[in-house]
Order: sequence, then C-alpha cells, then structure tokens
Amino acid sequence: KQEVTQIPAALSVPEGENLVLNCSFTDSAIYNLQWFRQDPGKGLTSLLLIQSSQREQTSGRLNASLDKSSGRSTLYIAASQPGDSATYLCAVKGGGSYIPTFGRGTSLIVHP
Amino acid sequence: DTGVSQNPRHKITKRGQNVTFRCDPISEHNRLYWYRQTLGQGPEFLTYFQNEAQLEKSRLLSDRFSAERPKGSFSTLEIQRTEQGDSAMYLCASSFQTGIKGEQYFGPGTRLTVT
Repeated sequence: KQEVTQIPAALSVPEGENLVLNCSFTDSAIYNLQWFRQDPGKGLTSLLLIQSSQREQTSGRLNASLDKSSGRSTLYIAASQPGDSATYLCAVKGGGSYIPTFGRGTSLIVHP
Repeated sequence: DTGVSQNPRHKITKRGQNVTFRCDPISEHNRLYWYRQTLGQGPEFLTYFQNEAQLEKSRLLSDRFSAERPKGSFSTLEIQRTEQGDSAMYLCASSFQTGIKGEQYFGPGTRLTVT
C-alpha cells in the first residue's frame, strides 16, 4: 500500500525566502505525482503534475522535481509572498490504481 | 466558469438525518471522484466513476453511503442516518483520461456538520 509523507508539517517564513517542500512515497512504481494548494476551508487547486517519465515541471515561481528511485518529490517556491500562504498537498498515483494517495500536507505561512 | 462545482457548500444536519450532495464535473471529463477530508488530513478516497460506471469504492464507504452518476455527467453522494463522525469536507474531483495519466481538478467542497 502506498504511503505518502510530507515534511515539514508546518512552515513559517518571512516574505522573499526561497522554500523547499518535501513529499516522499514508499512505492516507487508510480504513474504520476500532483502538487496541490488548499486555502482554508476551500477545495484543492492543482499546481503541477509530473508524469513518471518526467524529472521536473515548472510554473512561474514553482518548480517540482521527481526522483522515483528515491521515492521523493520536492516543490520549490521562489521568492515567497504572503499570498503563497496555504496548505500544500502532494498526491501520488501508481501501483495499477487510478486512485491517488495524498499526503497530509505542509501548512505554509509567509509573513510580511 | 467551467470548473467543478459542488452544492451545497455547507450543510448542517442533525444526527440520523439523510443528506445528499451534488457534484457537477468539468463537462468533457469522463472520470469523477469523491473524497472526504477531515481537519489536518489529506483527502481520503471514497469512490470513483468512469462515465456512469462506479468502478471502485473504498472500505471507508459504509453501506450508509451511496453515490450515483446516472448519465455520466453530474454525480450525487448520499449519506443515510448521519453520524457525528460523518462531519467532514466532502470533495469532488474530475479528470479526463483514457489511461492512468490525467490531472485531477477539484471542486470547492461541501462542508458537512452533523450535530
């Protein structure tokens, strides 16, 4: 059974810092990995989707990398802003299933 | 707006009552997923449809829960005889894919409070 862990669980940083959020998974036979953002009391917003054949994806100030052999993905946020404050979740799909497994998320606060 | 929509956004009900939630996916998406999320946790899979067929159900989905997608478009999730432990955010997501690949798009969720 796939297990997904996100570290750290919470992070508070001053505006302008570059950040790295981590996502690790136990079964490396994945199809894809998706990063989401969730604002309090809201649904999930897709940020980046990395297919198993890809090493990284970029969107604006966000860059996500994937290392299947080590069972890890990182989400890099450049020049953080207060508007980046949210919970960031990763979801891993694999093992012959169409169902993604989610981590618990990293709660990020960027203070001015 | 052509995103995933869910109704109602909030529902407060008394224990023992039945509730029904609706999800309208993005129109061309053939897959639809239901998840439940409690505070501090990631979404937990409940069930998913490909077109009108319900292909997988989680063990979390007790016999008090039922989901339908009658015409392969919108879906409903019904909870019968609600319990306080059913209080959670219920999320719907959709995707378009012919195989494993495919990006999921989530709705805003329905927050259920059982008193």
